[in-house]
Amino acid sequence: EAGVVQSPRYKIIEKKQPVAFWCNPISGHNTLYWYRQNLGQGPELLIRYENEEAVDDSQLPKDRFSAERLKGVDSTLKIQPAELGDSAVYLCASNDRMRITGELFFGEGSRLTVL
Amino acid sequence: AQSVTQPDIHITVSEGASLELRCNYSYGATPYLFWYVQSPGQGLQLLLKYFSGDTLVQGIKGFEAEFKRSQSSFNLRKPSVHWSDAAEYFCAVASNTDKLIFGTGTRLQVFP
Repeated sequence: EAGVVQSPRYKIIEKKQPVAFWCNPISGHNTLYWYRQNLGQGPELLIRYENEEAVDDSQLPKDRFSAERLKGVDSTLKIQPAELGDSAVYLCASNDRMRITGELFFGEGSRLTVL
Repeated sequence: AQSVTQPDIHITVSEGASLELRCNYSYGATPYLFWYVQSPGQGLQLLLKYFSGDTLVQGIKGFEAEFKRSQSSFNLRKPSVHWSDAAEYFCAVASNTDKLIFGTGTRLQVFP
């Protein structure tokens, strides 16, 4: 069974440019998470979806970040415009339970470099 | 607020030596605790988790962790480290809002 798939793996852009990341969770997993991992830090939650509903987006910088999960399957995270401080690894994760007590399955991440 | 502290940023051990990675948490109620491992270029993988019951939990790859409420700790251990264990290890606690809060990680280096 395929794991969580993310693309692109690497992206280098100049500041003020837009960027988008795509995530396809494990089949059947209703809950999808986007995390941001800064260099030398642990992942921090940006947004959590239950099916197509964003149930926790309190940490998402809404002035420049947006996310969608239109059909409750794959998801896109967008940054527009990107800033230097957005350089990080963006991780997508999914699980098959409503509660966090289920195991999260992570993708390999999308590494963003903003110049 | 819930938080996780991993006091060791970087640990180096020889192959075959024992390992203990420290984790302290701050949480008012009984915590749900996790250890994840992140190998270079890989996603995070769950090693083990504690919800309740036996305070010594066994995980994959020969790892175990012990929950000590009195010390607010959940240290990860392995009796004999292999070179393939070199990676970054993250302790995490589940918040009361179903959010996983990660520590800053401990990078493990293994010498032959």
